[in-house]
Amino acid sequence: GENVEQHPSTLSVQEGDSAVIKCTYSDSASNYFPWYKQELGKRPQLIIDIRSNVGEKKDQRIAVTLNKTAKHFSLHITETQPEDSAVYFCALRNQGGKLIFGQGTELSVKP
Amino acid sequence: KAGVTQTPRYLIKTRGQQVTLSCSPISGHRSVSWYQQTPGQGLQFLFEYFSETQRNKGNFPGRFSGRQFSNSRSEMNVSTLELGDSALYLCASSETTAEQFFGPGTRLTVL
Repeated sequence: GENVEQHPSTLSVQEGDSAVIKCTYSDSASNYFPWYKQELGKRPQLIIDIRSNVGEKKDQRIAVTLNKTAKHFSLHITETQPEDSAVYFCALRNQGGKLIFGQGTELSVKP
Repeated sequence: KAGVTQTPRYLIKTRGQQVTLSCSPISGHRSVSWYQQTPGQGLQFLFEYFSETQRNKGNFPGRFSGRQFSNSRSEMNVSTLELGDSALYLCASSETTAEQFFGPGTRLTVL
C-alpha cells in the first residue's frame, strides 16, 4: 500500500525538552524519506531528509533515523524552542515515484 | 533563483463551476507535482508532470486534471466543483526525484 502512518497527531512539550515524531510505512521499495515543517499560513519546507542507504542523519538540533527492517523512520528535535512550533509532515517516495505524506503532527513548544 | 509561484492565491467559486490554477516552478526544474491539503486529509498527491508528460497520478476523480507546458509551467483544472473541493492546493517543483520545493498555494473556497 501507499499509506504512511504518522504519530502522534499532536505533541506538546516544554521549551528545552526533546520531541520525537514517528512514521511507519509498508512499501519496502521506498528509498527517500523527507520531513517537512509547515508553519501556520505558510508553505511546507524541507527540514531534513534521509535516503534508504543511511540509518541516521543529523543537522544541528534535528535528526532523522531510519529502520528499514521495521519500516519506520523518526524525527528527533532536541532543545526545542517556541519557533519549532509548527505542523511536521513525514513523507516517502515510493517505488512508483510518488511522494506520499503522513497526516502531520502539530507540535506546540511552550515557553 | 525565484521560488515556486502560484496564481491566484485565493479563489471563491460556486458548486458546478470549473477552476484553473497555475504554477510556475523554479527555473530549471522540470518536475511539477500538485497536492490537495485539507485539515482532515493532510497532503494528498494529485499528479506529477515531467517534461510535459504526466508521470504519476493520485487517487482523485477525473474532474481533476492537469497539464504542463514546454516552459515547465503547469496548470490544474477542476471541473464541476463540489463543496468538498474546498482546500489549499499546493504545487511543488523539483530538479530531480529528490527535494521538492513548495509554492505558497491557492486557497480555493467552493460555496
